[in-house]
Parts: sequence; C-alpha cells; structure tokens
Amino acid sequence: LAKTTQPISMDSYEGQEVNITCSHNNIATNDYITWYQQFPSQGPRFIIQGYKTKVTNEVASLFIPADRKSSTLSLPRVSLSDTAVYYCLVGLDTGRRALTFGSGTRLQVQP
Amino acid sequence: DTEVTQTPKHLVMGMTNKKSLKCEQHMGHRAMYWYKQKAKKPPELMFVYSYEKLSINESVPSRFSPECPNSSLLNLHLHALQPEDSALYLCASSQDRDRGWYNEQFFGPGTRLTVL
Repeated sequence: LAKTTQPISMDSYEGQEVNITCSHNNIATNDYITWYQQFPSQGPRFIIQGYKTKVTNEVASLFIPADRKSSTLSLPRVSLSDTAVYYCLVGLDTGRRALTFGSGTRLQVQP
Repeated sequence: DTEVTQTPKHLVMGMTNKKSLKCEQHMGHRAMYWYKQKAKKPPELMFVYSYEKLSINESVPSRFSPECPNSSLLNLHLHALQPEDSALYLCASSQDRDRGWYNEQFFGPGTRLTVL
C-alpha cells in the first residue's frame, strides 16, 4: 500500500498560514492526492484533491512538486476553528490504497 | 442533500447482544463504506460496497456483517462483539468511479459503540 508520512502535530496562531507536508515516495502514476479534515467526534471532511502542480479552492491550496513524492496542504490565515486532524491519502478511486488513512497531523491553533 | 446520516449516534451493547448500525445517503452515490476509528487513531477501512455488491472486505471478523439492501442504505450487523470493538464506526459514500476522476468521500457523523 502507498504509505504516507506526515508530522504528528503542529502548532500555529490565528491569522498565520499553515503548511502541512505529506511524504508519499511510492506514489503511482495514476494516483491522486487527497486531504481530509476531521474534528473530534465527527467524520472526516474532504478538503482538496490534486494530481500535479497547484490546486486551490475556497478553503486551501495544495502544492505538488514535479516528482509528486510529496505534497503540501496550505491553509491561509488559520482560525481557532481550523484546529483539527488533517489526513493525506494517496490513491485512485475506490481502491484500497486510496482508502488508507495515514496517521494524520494534529493542528492546534492558538489565539 | 449532501448528507450521510447514521443511526444510532450512540450504542451500548453487551457481548451477547445483536444490534445493527444504519447508514443512509440520498446523493445517488453507488459506493458506500464502513470504517472503524479508535480514539486518537485514523479511520480504518472495514468494507466497501460498489453498486450494492461487496467489493472490499479488509479481513474483518465475522462478528461484523455488512449489508447493502439498496443503493441508499448500508447496514452493519453486530453480534457477539468484544470490548475491544468499542470505537466510532463511520459510514461514507462516494460516486462510483468516473473515468479518470477520483471520488470524494462524504462521511457521516459516526456511531459511538461501547461494548461491555
């Protein structure tokens, strides 16, 4: 299975930009990279997905270098409500690899 | 309606009980999933249904029995569970594969299960 590696935790302050990097050295040619956010006692929520270069939506940006062995989720101007666990997943459609959550990054935003 | 609903929210059961978890979506999704999540751990995939057929079973013990009666409903039947099965059980759905496009999963809020 494609293994992803993320920092266990990160701390930030309100208003700052937060960048969370995910390493996925054995990503396959057809794999997509997807990020989810999870609040305590809730199901994960889709944030963003990409294949290469840069993807931006109203919530976040995703940066993927040319070799695609890593990706960076960028959250602009975080607020207290962004305190959550962020998961990076790598794979294609409904296959096992795409449905394997890594250990995630616990982001704590301070006032 | 972009919601996945799960019932019940909380469930306490003894090791000899039989109970069922229910999941429902009305987004027309044809793939549905069960995950198990222990405290401070990532969700772990249990089962995947695609077009009402079981497509992935992650070697889950037979005391967990999934059922997909129709495209909107997913059940998880529980029997003779162990205390270590206590966890948050998450249901999710997604559109089945569209050529070259990966599916966003929509998760329900989960059922918090406690086995005594």
